[in-house]
Amino acid sequence: TQLLEQSPQFLSIQEGENLTVYCNSSSVFSSLQWYRQEPGEGPVLLVTVVTGGEVKKLKRLTFQFGDARKDSSLHITAAQTGDTGLYLCAGGRDSSYKLIFGSGTRLLVRP
Amino acid sequence: NAGVTQTPKFRILKIGQSMTLQCTQDMNHNYMYWYRQDPGMGLKLIYYSVGAGITDKGEVPNGYNVSRSTTEDFPLRLELAAPSQTSVYFCASSRGPDGEQFFGPGTRLTVL
Repeated sequence: TQLLEQSPQFLSIQEGENLTVYCNSSSVFSSLQWYRQEPGEGPVLLVTVVTGGEVKKLKRLTFQFGDARKDSSLHITAAQTGDTGLYLCAGGRDSSYKLIFGSGTRLLVRP
Repeated sequence: NAGVTQTPKFRILKIGQSMTLQCTQDMNHNYMYWYRQDPGMGLKLIYYSVGAGITDKGEVPNGYNVSRSTTEDFPLRLELAAPSQTSVYFCASSRGPDGEQFFGPGTRLTVL
């Protein structure tokens, strides 16, 4: 059972375009993390959101946690080739010792 | 700090062989995890540990075993390797159960 669904699975865009990727669940999470994974490397944390409705900005990246804490989105403004990678969301629960990872969105930014 | 280190980086096994994937972290984290990542996919949790001497199964534990005798080390053992275990294996550690996870560089395993 995939508790966290990410969409789209794959996205290919031109440099300079904007994009949004989504992370959805029917379950409530106490926190939501976004990771980026570059080819041949392990994932690296981008941001953690913990409050329903929370918006965090990291340069050209904007992260939002849904009001009900069941979903999240990542918006990238003016994408660059360096944004290419696999974006993973991961949900945490107070009662659990582990994160639930989504299936990922693979982003390719073409020059 | 080296963070999380994994050895080996690459390995080819024959069906039925066994091996141990090594994972070490130098951040004094209590929580450690083993994931596998199949081509084009996300991460699936194999086993995790909340401290030395304590381990538990994740989503896909069959065919694997772990031990945690020290805070630093969390080796993953494959017994009787099968082609279905061809994957990239990542070890991770974190300070708390839902805190940032720090990942190693991965071990690419092929079973032929």
